[in-house]
Amino acid sequence: EDKVVQSPLSLVVHEGDTVTLNCSYEVTNFRSLLWYKQEKKAPTFLFMLTSSGIEKKSGRLSSILDKKELFSILNITATQTGDSAIYLCAVVEFGNEKLTFGTGTRLTIIP
Amino acid sequence: DADVTQTPRNRITKTGKRIMLECSQTKGHDRMYWYRQDPGLGLRLIYYSFDVKDINKGEISDGYSVSRQAQAKFSLSLESAIPNQTALYFCATSETGQPNTGELFFGEGSRLTVL
Repeated sequence: EDKVVQSPLSLVVHEGDTVTLNCSYEVTNFRSLLWYKQEKKAPTFLFMLTSSGIEKKSGRLSSILDKKELFSILNITATQTGDSAIYLCAVVEFGNEKLTFGTGTRLTIIP
Repeated sequence: DADVTQTPRNRITKTGKRIMLECSQTKGHDRMYWYRQDPGLGLRLIYYSFDVKDINKGEISDGYSVSRQAQAKFSLSLESAIPNQTALYFCATSETGQPNTGELFFGEGSRLTVL
């Protein structure tokens, strides 16, 4: 059975810290990996990764994929209270194009 | 106005009642999805539809049914609600035929409580 596992499940840090969130996966025909941020409502798209070793970056957030070791990380530098959210990782497979989500990491930033 | 609209946003009902959650979208996407979210379990796919004549079960379809009334409308029904269907339900859409796609556009969610 396909799996997407995120760690840690929960993380509490102080404002200004740097955090690294992890996502590992086991799927049959990997196509892409996506990161979403969920605050109080709907998840919002952050990044889509398809190739190993190519960093995607948006402001203080960056992400990279390792297709050999089957994982991705999401880094957030100089965290702010507005970064407090659940971060979701999802994997798309060739053939069915459905997203399989991990359980998410709940990140809390303390002022 | 939101591109993906869900109604109702909140609903409290009793065990055994029939419930329908509705989703409409103005994005012009062919693909629509229903997910449920439970604490600690992430988002799990209930049903999905790649066009009006195409309906597919997801990983947790038991106890649910769907109807794709038009390209823009996809409704989720609980024929006889039970307490373990208490969850936050999301409708989502995505584009067709784009390479390396997979991005979902979510509605605001419908919080359902079954007593």
